[in-house]
Amino acid sequence: EADIYQTPRYLVIGTGKKITLECSQTMGHDKMYWYQQDPGMELHLIHYSYGVNSTEKGDLSSESTVSRIRTEHFPLTLESARPSHTSQYLCASSELWTGVGGELFFGEGSRLTVL
Amino acid sequence: AQSVTQLGSHVSVSEGALVLLRCNYSSSVPPYLFWYVQYPNQGLQLLLKYTTGATLVKGINGFEAEFKKSETSFHLTKPSAHMSDAAEYFCAVSDRSGGSNYKLTFGKGTLLTVNP
Repeated sequence: EADIYQTPRYLVIGTGKKITLECSQTMGHDKMYWYQQDPGMELHLIHYSYGVNSTEKGDLSSESTVSRIRTEHFPLTLESARPSHTSQYLCASSELWTGVGGELFFGEGSRLTVL
Repeated sequence: AQSVTQLGSHVSVSEGALVLLRCNYSSSVPPYLFWYVQYPNQGLQLLLKYTTGATLVKGINGFEAEFKKSETSFHLTKPSAHMSDAAEYFCAVSDRSGGSNYKLTFGKGTLLTVNP
């Protein structure tokens, strides 16, 4: 069982609010990721990190930002939420890069609805 | 750019029947290949992966997949479906050319329904 946790699981907020999605892992993995998942679509990588104080944008442009101050913690923030941000956000971590065969461990996801 | 095609967004089988979920990829260099499963209201978990060696790979819960380079395919099978197999299944490939170690390209997923 993967030890990676996301909160909140579900969030409904109004337009313009600031939100932070929390993600924590207890496996000591250096690599962490945020994916966006919409029904019937591929998972899209929006942010990743290869260690403390490193953050990079993924392949899908996103208005969200991330930080990595501690190895185990990788929160995602939206400064001003809009309806277009409505989606499921999945946090993941890995010991090795997937490019060398590494396995991703996923959290249960945070489903965000912006009204 | 790599792409992953999963044929059939929804597959329905009877309990005890063969499960076959199709995945084809496009890549100039044979990639690493993965199947992930997502149960309702949960995150994804790894079913199996192919990196090197034997092309028939066995995973958890009785699933297996075969890497066929000539067909650029990595189809997932299970001889006998159980009700508990109902979930969404994602095929994914990673770029082993060394250019983007962090990048995993996912297919759009196949929802498996198992009928009693």
